[in-house]
Amino acid sequence: QVQLVESGGGVVQPGGSLRLSCVVSGFTFNNDGMHWVRQAPGKGLEWVAFIGYDGRKTYYADSVKGRFTISRDNSRNTLHVQMDRLRAEDTAIYYCVTDRGNSGTYLTDTWGQGTLVTVSS
Amino acid sequence: DVQMTQSPSSVSASVGDRVTISCRASQGISFWLAWYQQKPGKAPKLLIYEASSLRRGVPSRFSGSVTGTEFTLTISNLQPEDFATYYCQQTNSLPLTFGGGTKVLIK
Repeated sequence: QVQLVESGGGVVQPGGSLRLSCVVSGFTFNNDGMHWVRQAPGKGLEWVAFIGYDGRKTYYADSVKGRFTISRDNSRNTLHVQMDRLRAEDTAIYYCVTDRGNSGTYLTDTWGQGTLVTVSS
Repeated sequence: DVQMTQSPSSVSASVGDRVTISCRASQGISFWLAWYQQKPGKAPKLLIYEASSLRRGVPSRFSGSVTGTEFTLTISNLQPEDFATYYCQQTNSLPLTFGGGTKVLIK
């Protein structure tokens, strides 16, 4: 079955950096786009970033554009997000999610268990 | 960006009840809408996609419909395991946007 396992979360000071990773199994990783979605404590869901199946296309939420970089290593079935210049409002659980959209649309299908990022001094 | 307005923010119901949750898009998204269920401490799970298509393995008491830009999730014959928070999401274009969530509470 499809499995996504995130890692790399932790506590970081404002202005600091963190790199999250997501190792996937159970499907052909290099066929599908991937997303990061986050959820602040006690709050709703916020889409963060998307990367196409081959890594050529990337898109970001305005709230993280210029600070976060999504990437993938198809040889290692791994998705990453490099988070720089972190702010307190970036504190959230970060979920790695498969995309099963078609015809130019998107569908966040299977979600990992999430990894918690806390930005605090 | 497409804004998603979800209502109500919470609803109290009993086992066996029928619950309806609404979601309105700020612009036309055709039928490109998904519904998710989230339980405390767990990741969201996809229930319905393309407004009314049930994901494999999801019980048939869950159903979705659309009229214009108004989308509805209906849970018929509410079961104890259905008490959770539900989110709508437009899947038409990036940035993907979610409704604010509806918490289904035990009456």
